[in-house]
Amino acid sequence: EADIYQTPRYLVIGTGKKITLECSQTMGHDKMYWYQQDPGMELHLIHYSYGVNSTEKGDLSSESTVSRIRTEHFPLTLESARPSHTSQYLCASSSTGNQPQHFGDGTRLSIL
Amino acid sequence: DQQVKQNSPSLSVQEGRISILNCDYTNSMFDYFLWYKKYPAEGPTFLISISSIKDKNEDGRFTVFLNKSAKHLSLHIVPSQPGDSAVYFCAARNTGGFKTIFGAGTRLFVKA
Repeated sequence: EADIYQTPRYLVIGTGKKITLECSQTMGHDKMYWYQQDPGMELHLIHYSYGVNSTEKGDLSSESTVSRIRTEHFPLTLESARPSHTSQYLCASSSTGNQPQHFGDGTRLSIL
Repeated sequence: DQQVKQNSPSLSVQEGRISILNCDYTNSMFDYFLWYKKYPAEGPTFLISISSIKDKNEDGRFTVFLNKSAKHLSLHIVPSQPGDSAVYFCAARNTGGFKTIFGAGTRLFVKA
């Protein structure tokens, strides 16, 4: 059973607010990821990290930013939320090689 | 550009029968393939994988078949159970690469 946690699970907030989505894992995994998914669509990689102090942008352009100051923590921040940011955000982690990713339960974000 | 395609958005199967979920890919560099299962309000969980050096991998009721020449893989569930009702994501990566590419998912309904 994967130990990766995302908070909040649901967030409804107004335009222009600063938002931080939290993601923590207790498995000691070096690699962590953020995906964005709309209903019925693929998971799109928006950020990933090889380890502490390493962050990279994914395939899908995103106005969000991430940080990786500790191995277990990979928060995602939106400085000024807009309705176009409404989506589900999934965090994942994995160890080395071809090990599968473990996912959190996601944050469903709605920007009014 | 969808590199991993799941052309059937949904599939309905009677309990006890076989479920076959299909996936096509376009990138010949992919050499490792995974299936994830997702229940509502939860994150995807890893189900089964296959390396490109194999054409079949079996785990209990779940079998994945890979046809490299056709760039096609399929997931067979036998016998199907109502608890198998979920969204199934096909995913692919190339060993040494960092990114896993996901399909849009197929929603499986298993009727009792």
